[in-house]
Amino acid sequence: DIQMTQSPSSLSASIGDRVTITCRASQSINNYLNWYQQRLGKAPKLLIYGASTLQSGVPSRFSGSGSGTDFTLTISSLQPEDSAIYYCQQTYRTPYTSGQGSKLQIK
Amino acid sequence: QVDLQQWGAGLLKPSQTLSLTCSVFGRSFTGYYWSWIRQSPGKGLEWIGEITPGGRTNYNPSLESRITISVDTSNNQFSMKLTSVTAADSAVYYCASRDWSCTAGNCPSWFDAWGQGSLVNVSS
Repeated sequence: DIQMTQSPSSLSASIGDRVTITCRASQSINNYLNWYQQRLGKAPKLLIYGASTLQSGVPSRFSGSGSGTDFTLTISSLQPEDSAIYYCQQTYRTPYTSGQGSKLQIK
Repeated sequence: QVDLQQWGAGLLKPSQTLSLTCSVFGRSFTGYYWSWIRQSPGKGLEWIGEITPGGRTNYNPSLESRITISVDTSNNQFSMKLTSVTAADSAVYYCASRDWSCTAGNCPSWFDAWGQGSLVNVSS
């Protein structure tokens, strides 16, 4: 299986801050990388697909980059509603696997 | 607007069979992949398996001996059955739809629609 490693596992930031979460794959996955946001008690919500394409309806402060094994999710200006857990997921090869999540808290 | 609504028994005893069904609204079954994904407390997203547009199934090898995914296109539903459950199968289970796009042989895919989740607890 392809292992996905996210960092940090948790972080705290202030409103307006720029936040970056990284994801590393155990082998090259081209751009078959997605980012999801999961609020407490809710299903995951797709933010970014194909490593850098913003899902329709997602605020433009979210962006993704990377290819191969190293990927980044960036929130350009943190808002209160961004408090959540963020997951990366690869769909390059089955079984599709995700990182363990990065919990983002607002200071 | 795609909507997935899922249901099934939430409390099971060890060795019983977990059955969940997902109804799909606002999206045709054609051209999409239909998956089940589970999440244990504090853990990531574990892909269980899927049924393809052609009706073929792909399963996570870790569950392949116990899982069956099927589709009922006449009712726009798909289902999963997991046999011989243990406490390790306790989790929130989600149904999800996988979309994809190909450009010059590059075909990323993504889960853009999810059910509300079903909490499953296996306990004697």
